[in-house]
Amino acid sequence: AQSVTQLGSHVSVSEGALVLLRCNYSSSVPPYLFWYVQYPNQGLQLLLKYTSAATLVKGINGFEAEFKKSETSFHLTKPSAHMSDAAEYFCAVSDLRRRQGGKLIFGQGTELSVKP
Amino acid sequence: SQTIHQWPATLVQPVGSPLSLECTVEGTSNPNLYWYRQAAGRGLQLLFYSVGIGQISSEVPQNLSASRPQDRQFILSSKKLLLSDSGFYLCAWARGQETQYFGPGTRLLVL
Repeated sequence: AQSVTQLGSHVSVSEGALVLLRCNYSSSVPPYLFWYVQYPNQGLQLLLKYTSAATLVKGINGFEAEFKKSETSFHLTKPSAHMSDAAEYFCAVSDLRRRQGGKLIFGQGTELSVKP
Repeated sequence: SQTIHQWPATLVQPVGSPLSLECTVEGTSNPNLYWYRQAAGRGLQLLFYSVGIGQISSEVPQNLSASRPQDRQFILSSKKLLLSDSGFYLCAWARGQETQYFGPGTRLLVL
């Protein structure tokens, strides 16, 4: 069965500092992996996705993530945090078995705070 | 382009009252549709998904039900709400195995 673990429910960084949000996955088949962002009282917005092409994936708002099969990781990074990056971030893996209806399995989320 | 709508945006209901939340998608056909619940301070819990009209799969036993009367319409219902049904309800759509796109959500408070 597939699963996702996000290390750290809360991460706090200073404005301008590196952002690193950790995600490890478990999958018996080559996974599709996603990062979503959720601002307060809003739905989830796709940041980026990995679908077995390039292992370094660039997304919106300056975020990127690197797929590392040997470490079963898909960590999200941004070189310089901005106040507007404060939000909740979710990592997800796609259940690729067709009979499962394309479900996503989400991590518990990491709340990112950015200090001025 | 595709858009997804949810209504109402906010709802306050007494315990024991019925519930109907609606989700509609525009700009695509035969999407997979999903209902999630997000309780305060917690992650997303998949409640139901549908791969076609009248086809509903339930992920967890609960007080809620879902229906898909039309290709791009997904409804979440309850006959009698419980306090534990409070939360933020999110609808999403996807084309097959691809990315899921989320609606703006409905905040439900059961008192």
